[in-house]
Amino acid sequence: DAGVIQSPRHEVTEMGQEVTLRCKPISGHNSLFWYRQTMMRGLELLIYFNNNVPIDDSGMPEDRFSAKMPNASFSTLKIQPSEPRDSAVYFCASVQGAGSNQPQHFGDGTRLSIL
Amino acid sequence: AQSVTQLDSHVSVSEGTPVLLRCNYSSSYSPSLFWYVQHPNKGLQLLLKYTSAATLVKGINGFEAEFKKSETSFHLTKPSAHMSDAAEYFCVVTRTGTASKLTFGTGTRLQVTL
Repeated sequence: DAGVIQSPRHEVTEMGQEVTLRCKPISGHNSLFWYRQTMMRGLELLIYFNNNVPIDDSGMPEDRFSAKMPNASFSTLKIQPSEPRDSAVYFCASVQGAGSNQPQHFGDGTRLSIL
Repeated sequence: AQSVTQLDSHVSVSEGTPVLLRCNYSSSYSPSLFWYVQHPNKGLQLLLKYTSAATLVKGINGFEAEFKKSETSFHLTKPSAHMSDAAEYFCVVTRTGTASKLTFGTGTRLQVTL
C-alpha cells in the first residue's frame, strides 16, 4: 500500500523565494497534518485538516505560511517569502478519523534549506 | 493537559544486548500512547500503540512496551538489539479517541555498537 507521499524530498532555495511543499495522504484517510521538525524545537504541529477543512492552524508560525487542501488526496504548504529560519524538515501525516484511536501515518518529509 | 518525558536523550547498547528506552507520561484523560521510530532522512514509523486494551503491547521488529498506570510509564524494550535498530525513537501521548492532538517526546537516539 502506498503511504503518505511528499514532494519534493529536498528543496534548497534563496531567501525571499516562494516555497511550495506537497502531500498526498493515504487513500481513505480524512485527516491530514503538517508538522515541522527542527533540532531546537523538535516536532511541531503547524496545521491540520479534517475532511479538507482546516481545523486548527494555531501552530502556523506567521502569515508567511499558508496551507490548502483542495481535495481529499492533495494538500500544499506554502511559504512566501521564505526566510533562513524556515529551514527544517516538514512532515505530512494522515489518519482515518481525527477522533479515532488510530495512529497517524507519516511521509518521509521534505528537507527545506533556505539560504 | 498532557505531556511526555523521555528520560534519556541518548542510549548506547551493544548488538545482541537488551534495549530499554524510557518514557513517562502525564495526562488528564485516558491516554493512548505510541512509540514511533525515525531512521535518518525518513519519516516517523509506528512501532506500537496502546489504546486501553492489553497493557503489554507487542510491536514490529521485536519491540514491546508495557503500560503501567501506577507508574505513568510506557517504556520500550527489545530483548536483543540489532544494528538496524539504530535510530531516533519518539514516545507520543494523546487522549484516547483523539488522533489529532499528539504530544511528542523529545526523542531518544539509540546507538548500537558491535
